[in-house]
Amino acid sequence: NAGVTQTPKFRVLKTGQSMTLLCAQDMNHEYMYWYRQDPGMGLRLIHYSVGEGTTAKGEVPDGYNVSRLKKQNFLLGLESAAPSQTSVYFCASSYWGVNYGYTFGSGTRLTVV
Amino acid sequence: AQSVTQLDSQVPVFEEAPVELRCNYSSSVSVYLFWYVQYPNQGLQLLLKYLSGSTLVKGINGFEAEFNKSQTSFHLRKPSVHISDTAEYFCASMKTSYDKVIFGPGTSLSVIP
Repeated sequence: NAGVTQTPKFRVLKTGQSMTLLCAQDMNHEYMYWYRQDPGMGLRLIHYSVGEGTTAKGEVPDGYNVSRLKKQNFLLGLESAAPSQTSVYFCASSYWGVNYGYTFGSGTRLTVV
Repeated sequence: AQSVTQLDSQVPVFEEAPVELRCNYSSSVSVYLFWYVQYPNQGLQLLLKYLSGSTLVKGINGFEAEFNKSQTSFHLRKPSVHISDTAEYFCASMKTSYDKVIFGPGTSLSVIP
């Protein structure tokens, strides 16, 4: 009954370093999403996937890459971290269609210094 | 473009008092509407949704929302709030059943003992 699991929960990076955030879901959801949450700006979609092997750009994709090699996993990569990428990152997943809403992970708090 | 506006960034209210959190959407076509709640240091949870039918929608924890097409609004209400309702509330919309969810900027509800 894990739902959506994000790792790590906290991370501090130096400018220019790289890292990968992992999102795993055990609900057999087709769709997966990466959002960033910043004060006063709500949630902004970074990238999303509509199925294994597919990815697409969201509202704020620059500086991020993603991969969905397995249906249950959605990875978010930062190749060269910048202070502007300091944020809380949320992964979400959903079934196809509108009836069930999104299931969110508990978030990753990333600080880039 | 589809958008969601939440008119109040912060709403303080005394315990056991009623509360209304306002949400307006912009869409020239049919729309699906949602309210999500985010408790401190957690991910978002679906509170309620409007897909079709009755304009008054009931959700979890005693919350309800009313869809008003003429005013393009979907305000969230609770007749008597508890300390445990202190959280961030996000209004969201989808233009079609297979579209991505667009989130509003959020309203921070603080319940005062």
